[in-house]
Amino acid sequence: GESVGLHLPTLSVQEGDNSIINCAYSNSASDYFIWYKQESGKGPQFIIDIRSNMDKRQGQRVTVLLNKTVKHLSLQIAATQPGDSAVYFCAEKGGNFNKFYFGSGTKLNVKP
Amino acid sequence: DTAVSQTPKYLVTQMGNDKSIKCEQNLGHDTMYWYKQDSKKFLKIMFSYNNKELIINETVPNRFSPKSPDKAHLNLHINSLELGDSAVYFCASSFRTGGTEAFFGQGTRLTVV
Repeated sequence: GESVGLHLPTLSVQEGDNSIINCAYSNSASDYFIWYKQESGKGPQFIIDIRSNMDKRQGQRVTVLLNKTVKHLSLQIAATQPGDSAVYFCAEKGGNFNKFYFGSGTKLNVKP
Repeated sequence: DTAVSQTPKYLVTQMGNDKSIKCEQNLGHDTMYWYKQDSKKFLKIMFSYNNKELIINETVPNRFSPKSPDKAHLNLHINSLELGDSAVYFCASSFRTGGTEAFFGQGTRLTVV
């Protein structure tokens, strides 16, 4: 099956700094890439997605970059806040029936 | 109002028992899912239903049987529970099959002893 992986299992940043969470994927046929955030004790929550024909998409304080050449996806969080502390998952969607495949997650710790 | 609600939140049971987890969504979505999250936080899709019809059935033991009485409900029944079934099970829904924005429930932590 498809493989979605993350470079760093844990990332610690200072409050107010920018955070960058990286993800590698293997399936060139995926048509969407998505970022989810999971806070402790809660279900994953959609953050932002990007279609495979785009290389950048911005949301509120977040930017997703897609580099199809090296099959790399990143999530940038501007001015990281304590409320951003969570596990972040990248996911790819594609194939028959538009299945989602999630990566293993990166834990973001925001230090005050 | 809770968009996707699962019950129970915690479930502790002995090996060999049969248990069910219920899920309801009030978002009017057509598609519902069950995911399993293991102790390493890895999320894997198990099943997907669209308008009460099964459309995705990943390689899941047939001890797991989903049932969708209507498009707002997707329940998960597990027979003959095993230790390896211990995990957090998440129900989710999306507007349509393949929609990227899925709404997840709060999860059911299943512990098999």
